[in-house]
Amino acid sequence: KQEVTQIPAALSVPEGENLVLNCSFTDSAIYNLQWFRQDPGKGLTSLLLIQSSQREQTSGRLNASLDKSSGRSTLYIAASQPGDSATYLCAVRFNTGGFKTIFGAGTRLFVKA
Amino acid sequence: KAGVTQTPRYLIKTRGQQVTLSCSPISGHRSVSWYQQTPGQGLQFLFEYFSETQRNKGNFPGRFSGRQFSNSRSEMNVSTLELGDSALYLCASSFRDESSETQYFGPGTRLLVL
Repeated sequence: KQEVTQIPAALSVPEGENLVLNCSFTDSAIYNLQWFRQDPGKGLTSLLLIQSSQREQTSGRLNASLDKSSGRSTLYIAASQPGDSATYLCAVRFNTGGFKTIFGAGTRLFVKA
Repeated sequence: KAGVTQTPRYLIKTRGQQVTLSCSPISGHRSVSWYQQTPGQGLQFLFEYFSETQRNKGNFPGRFSGRQFSNSRSEMNVSTLELGDSALYLCASSFRDESSETQYFGPGTRLLVL
């Protein structure tokens, strides 16, 4: 069964701290992995996409890595700001018998000013 | 380029009724996926359509159905609504080329079943 797990479930940090969010997945037959941000009551905003052939992607203060062999991805946020407070979701697109995207439960981040 | 649009944004129904939600993908995107988000179950995959064909389906009862039109717009229908169907329904469109496929999400339709 294909599963995606995110830890921690919640995280509270002071402004300026660097932090790492973790995502693990079963089944290495992934097509890509995408990190999203969701603000309360809103839809999803795509942050970074990593193809299965890639090891990492960077955008501004965000860096996402992918290790297919160990079934892990991390999202690194540098110099966190209160505006980063949101829920971060990891979505793995599997390619076994058709494409299917499985989401993790998310990490709820709160950055204190 | 306009983003993914979903209508209606909010909906209140009663048990036993049926509902139809609509999703218009980004221009040029031929793939549309539907997800249900609830506090207890998180985001769960409902189904995906590509060029009017259902390409994959999640583990939902047959009360949940969908279709895609020739202009790539998609609708999902839920019949005989139950209280547990109250959720945020998200639609995502994507375009796949040889090396990449990014999903773009709409704002969602929030359904409340009373």
